[in-house]
Amino acid sequence: GQQVMQIPQYQHVQEGEDFTTYCNSSTTLSNIQWYKQRPGGHPVFLIQLVKSGEVKKQKRLTFQFGEAKKNSSLHITATQTTDVGTYFCAISSYGKLTFGQGTILTVHP
Amino acid sequence: GAGVSQSPRYKVTKRGQDVTLRCDPISSHATLYWYQQALGQGPEFLTYFNYEAQPDKSGLPSDRFSAERPEGSISTLTIQRTEQRDSAMYRCASSPRGVAGQETQYFGPGTRLLVL
Repeated sequence: GQQVMQIPQYQHVQEGEDFTTYCNSSTTLSNIQWYKQRPGGHPVFLIQLVKSGEVKKQKRLTFQFGEAKKNSSLHITATQTTDVGTYFCAISSYGKLTFGQGTILTVHP
Repeated sequence: GAGVSQSPRYKVTKRGQDVTLRCDPISSHATLYWYQQALGQGPEFLTYFNYEAQPDKSGLPSDRFSAERPEGSISTLTIQRTEQRDSAMYRCASSPRGVAGQETQYFGPGTRLLVL
């Protein structure tokens, strides 16, 4: 089945710095979803991208889907301590979500 | 309900015992999913239901794992003859429509299972 590789595995930033996590696939994806999981919490849906080259913004978060629909990124501008957690990309296919390994973000105040 | 609920939240059992985990999805959500999440990893798909039908159980690790949703609402995941490698967080999620597709899934708090 389809898989996604997510990098980096960990990212430590100082509050106010930017953060980016990337998902890559060797095959063309029909869609990609992004989830955030706070420490001790459960995955919470952030967004879904379906169109080639799509860019969506949610306040300080910017999500991109590559032109070839083989990669995606999540960029956070000016991180805050509330941004800590694990960010997962996931592919949805007939009910089955296949998650990337996740990027653990820590933010130092 | 207001969100997906799962019980118990924690379960400690001895190797060889059977356990049953329960999921109560968001009311009126047609589709229900089960995932297994190891520490430091993303959730891994186990199975899903459209109402009471179970179209895909390809993710169940072995025949010791089974799931039911007899009335199309509450679901249970049963693990027979538990093994230490079954220790993980078991997460349930639900989504609104009857045909599983590219939908938002709403996750519950999970049941952390520890097999001694």
